[in-house]
Amino acid sequence: DVVMTQTPLSLPISLGDQASFSCRSSQSLLHSNGNTYLAWYLQKSGLSPQILIYRISNRFSGVPDRFSGSGSGTDFTLKISRVEPEDLGVYYCLQHTHLPYTFGAGTKLELK
Amino acid sequence: EVQLVESGGGLVQPGASLKLSCVASGFTFSDYWMSWVRQTPGKTMEWIGDIKYDGSYTNYAPSLKNRFTISRDNAKSTLYLQMSNVRSEDTATYYCLGAGVYWGQGVMVTVSS
Repeated sequence: DVVMTQTPLSLPISLGDQASFSCRSSQSLLHSNGNTYLAWYLQKSGLSPQILIYRISNRFSGVPDRFSGSGSGTDFTLKISRVEPEDLGVYYCLQHTHLPYTFGAGTKLELK
Repeated sequence: EVQLVESGGGLVQPGASLKLSCVASGFTFSDYWMSWVRQTPGKTMEWIGDIKYDGSYTNYAPSLKNRFTISRDNAKSTLYLQMSNVRSEDTATYYCLGAGVYWGQGVMVTVSS
């Protein structure tokens, strides 16, 4: 199985700061069709996860442009340019290139 | 508005069977692959498997393949997860996921005697 390693586990932040999340995979997520199936989700406290980014860098409809995704191969990053209160929660990455699909352990974004 | 509503969870004894349902609305259910994902009490997310839009193909996590079965009824816009011979480690919140994008509210399953 592809192991997804997210760092850090916890990210204390001040509102208005930039936040950066790392997700590394144990093998390349480049599919034979040329796409890379790496997504980011945010789970706010007590709620279901919600999609933020799909295929590395594509923001889902309605996701603010302060969220951006980047990376390739085995190394991926999610950034928030200026953290707002509604951004707090746990961020998960998911690879759906290789079966079985696998999630990272999550990074908790919390106030400093 | 897209909605996915799971049901069928609860407290079950080890070795029992359980069938979860997920009713979809607000999108064309029959156009999309659907998945089941579970989240343990420790918040670990685990992909269970998925099913092709027409129900003709399924994929499973190898560790669950022999006990879990995913199916769908497109006429009812409903996704199912049949769980058999459940174990304590199956205790989790189970989510249905549409097209990798839309999540249900989740349903809790607790396996305990």
